[in-house]
Amino acid sequence: GQNIDQPTEMTATEGAIVQINCTYQTSGFNGLFWYQQHAGEAPTFLSYNVLDGLEEKGRFSSFLSRSKGYSYLLLKELQMKDSASYLCAVRDLKAAGNKLTFGGGTRVLVKP
Amino acid sequence: KAGVTQTPRYLIKTRGQQVTLSCSPISGHRSVSWYQQTPGQGLQFLFEYFSETQRNKGNFPGRFSGRQFSNSRSEMNVSTLELGDSALYLCASRPDGNTEAFFGQGTRLTVV
Repeated sequence: GQNIDQPTEMTATEGAIVQINCTYQTSGFNGLFWYQQHAGEAPTFLSYNVLDGLEEKGRFSSFLSRSKGYSYLLLKELQMKDSASYLCAVRDLKAAGNKLTFGGGTRVLVKP
Repeated sequence: KAGVTQTPRYLIKTRGQQVTLSCSPISGHRSVSWYQQTPGQGLQFLFEYFSETQRNKGNFPGRFSGRQFSNSRSEMNVSTLELGDSALYLCASRPDGNTEAFFGQGTRLTVV
């Protein structure tokens, strides 16, 4: 099976940087996704990592270490609109199709 | 290109009833997955359909079922509703392969 852990909540100040960690255990890793979900809205795709290293997309970056079962999402130059839940999800190579297993999500609150 | 469309957006049902939710994927997407989202459990995978076949299934009781039509539209059905079935039900579509999933706005089901 799979186990995905991420902090429940984080608070940061506008303009600052926040790092959201995600650790996972899986029998067959086949990619890790980060999604952003504003309250009452659908999750939207942020990033995808399947190889070790850092993927940068503007203010958001995601890092993966497969040997450590670890990823983080880095949010730079925080804006008020970044207040949302951030979901880490892992795809299992041994699961047919496109099943994603999600962590519980990290609620980020950006304060002025 | 239209996004993933879920209907209805909100639904109130009483215990013991059954409910059918609908999902229209993005045009050209053949994979449709369903998730249940609750505050306590986060996003839980229900099942995935691809080309009218169930390709993967989560750990939900048999009261939860689904199907996919030849035009890739999908429905999920929950019979004998329980209070604990109150949740946001999200549908996600993708073309296939190692690509991100695109989520619909969800159907918020309340069982009273």
